[in-house]
Amino acid sequence: AQSVSQHNHHVILSEAASLELGCNYSYGGTVNLFWYVQYPGQHLQLLLKYFSGDPLVKGIKGFEAEFIKSKFSFNLRKPSVQWSDTAEYFCAAVVYNQGGKLIFGQGTELSVKP
Amino acid sequence: ETGVTQSPTHLIKTRGQQVTLRCSSQSGHNTVSWYQQALGQGPQFIFQYYREEENGRGNFPPRFSGLQFPNYSSELNVNALELDDSALYLCASTPGTGELFFGEGSRLTVL
Repeated sequence: AQSVSQHNHHVILSEAASLELGCNYSYGGTVNLFWYVQYPGQHLQLLLKYFSGDPLVKGIKGFEAEFIKSKFSFNLRKPSVQWSDTAEYFCAAVVYNQGGKLIFGQGTELSVKP
Repeated sequence: ETGVTQSPTHLIKTRGQQVTLRCSSQSGHNTVSWYQQALGQGPQFIFQYYREEENGRGNFPPRFSGLQFPNYSSELNVNALELDDSALYLCASTPGTGELFFGEGSRLTVL
């Protein structure tokens, strides 16, 4: 079965530290990949997405992610985090041509200390 | 704002009862899907509707059912509620581009 796994359940950083959140997916075919963010009390928001083309994808709020097909990975990065980045981050995948079912990882809670 | 609205935002039910959750999707989005997000977990796909027909279902029992209406709004119905059904239920709509737009969810507590 297709699955998405996120390596860290809870990450604590100080402001200005660099961030990298790991994400791996299990499907070997064509996938579309996403990172969503959920701020406390708010709805899931799309940070960035990869469908095809340049494997380095830039999203909103200074986030980027790199698709590495050989490693089945789609890690999220940000060079310098801010307190306002405190949120839960979800990696997700859609298997191409399988009805748009979005498979989520279990999430990584990021806490940024001011 | 995503243009996806859900109601109610919070509700409490007891075991064995039935619940209906509602979703109004963004204009022009003909596909709606529902997800269950238990505490500390990522959202789990329940099912998806395209033009009023279910066209995908996750690993949920038949007591989870849904409807999509001609205006593309949707309902999630859960019968014979169990304690483990306590969760945040998310509705998402898409215009078919692969990007989903989520509502803020309905938080269901089953006592």
